[in-house]
Amino acid sequence: QSALTQPASVSGSPGQSITISCTGTSSDVGGYNYVSWYQQHPGKAPKLMIYDVSKRPSGVSNRFSGSKSGNTASLTISGLQAEDEADYYCCSYAGSSTWVFGGGTKLTVL
Amino acid sequence: QVQLQESGPGLVKPSETLSLTCAVSGYSISSGYYWGWIRQPPGKGLEWIGSIYHSGSTYYNPSLKSRVTISVDTSKNQFSLKLSSVTAADTAVYYCARHMTTVTVDWFDPWGQGTLVTVSS
Repeated sequence: QSALTQPASVSGSPGQSITISCTGTSSDVGGYNYVSWYQQHPGKAPKLMIYDVSKRPSGVSNRFSGSKSGNTASLTISGLQAEDEADYYCCSYAGSSTWVFGGGTKLTVL
Repeated sequence: QVQLQESGPGLVKPSETLSLTCAVSGYSISSGYYWGWIRQPPGKGLEWIGSIYHSGSTYYNPSLKSRVTISVDTSKNQFSLKLSSVTAADTAVYYCARHMTTVTVDWFDPWGQGTLVTVSS
């Protein structure tokens, strides 16, 4: 069970859109529609942003959206804002009642 | 509003057992959901440790399974983590979280604030 692969960092200017990828295998990301995304500000607990690939919890801005193609899931943030600067983690069900997280991506808002 | 709070020693000696408790408020553990533990080594990513149902049914990360025990105390509305034979590699912030997992939905939310556990002599 290996960690899902995310880019170490991405950046964008306010108002722009960015996409963070999360690559796994057919045994996790590609095999199930159970990918979730978490936002973590420095020193804070992670916060659920997207679940089941593309569903948004109540209270999460519609600027956040999720998708999946094959073994890669993606989180897109549109209309970037300064408060979006944080670390983002993906998570996938990996079969046999196990779950695996990605290594995390640091988003910098320029 | 569901809230979770981790507690336990912040310093554990190598080879000893790490023990943490997560107190849940605003929701009765007996009412459902799984409850999970996730850790984050300093400056690194998240790692799922394991999850438990109120009935006591458990799921563990295969890489930690031989050292991990998660238990639940519904009378105190809390659940606990024990990790044995710890080494410096187990130094991390440990989070507890409500874990919703069914045939239709899957997520961890909300999370506790986390507690740093350092393994050192």
